[in-house]
Amino acid sequence: QKEVEQNSGPLSVPEGAIASLNCTYSDRGSQSFFWYRQYSGKSPELIMFIYSNGDKEDGRFTAQLNKASQYVSLLIRDSQPSDSATYLCAVNYGGSQGNLIFGKGTKLSVKP
Amino acid sequence: DTEVTQTPKHLVMGMTNKKSLKCEQHMGHRAMYWYKQKAKKPPELMFVYSYEKLSINESVPSRFSPECPNSSLLNLHLHALQPEDSALYLCASSPYWDRGFRAGELFFGEGSRLTVL
Repeated sequence: QKEVEQNSGPLSVPEGAIASLNCTYSDRGSQSFFWYRQYSGKSPELIMFIYSNGDKEDGRFTAQLNKASQYVSLLIRDSQPSDSATYLCAVNYGGSQGNLIFGKGTKLSVKP
Repeated sequence: DTEVTQTPKHLVMGMTNKKSLKCEQHMGHRAMYWYKQKAKKPPELMFVYSYEKLSINESVPSRFSPECPNSSLLNLHLHALQPEDSALYLCASSPYWDRGFRAGELFFGEGSRLTVL
């Protein structure tokens, strides 16, 4: 069974710190990985996607992928209270069909 | 602001009612999705339409009936639902269907929150 695992948290960090969110997946054949942010009562919105081993940076966000370890992470630098949300890791098991399996999400709280 | 519009935002229905959820997008995306999300749980895929044809049905009970009248519109018809079907129903679209690694990049609507009494 294909699974995506995340620590549900809550993860609490002070404002200005680095928040580190982690995700593991079960299917070694998975090729693309997504981080979605979901504010309470709102719909998910895409933060980043990654499909090559290594790091990918976009502003304050860095996604990291290690396919050998089946591990994906998201780093948020200079965390702001507005980053407080649930972060969903999603793995595309459907190839070009975009069939995502979501992890349960990590709730991040950034304290002023 | 999301460019995927869902109506109604809230719906309360009895177990014998028939109702529909509606989703619209005018971004020219050729794939549209229905996801179900229960409280404090991740979204779960229900259906995918690509080029107006049903491509994926994740073994959803027949009391949920999807319809894609055209490339911009997606409906979810509801009949004889159970209280455990109460959830947030999310519609999403994607321009990346059948386009490799970005195929999981979805644009979500705000959702329709359904309560079944």
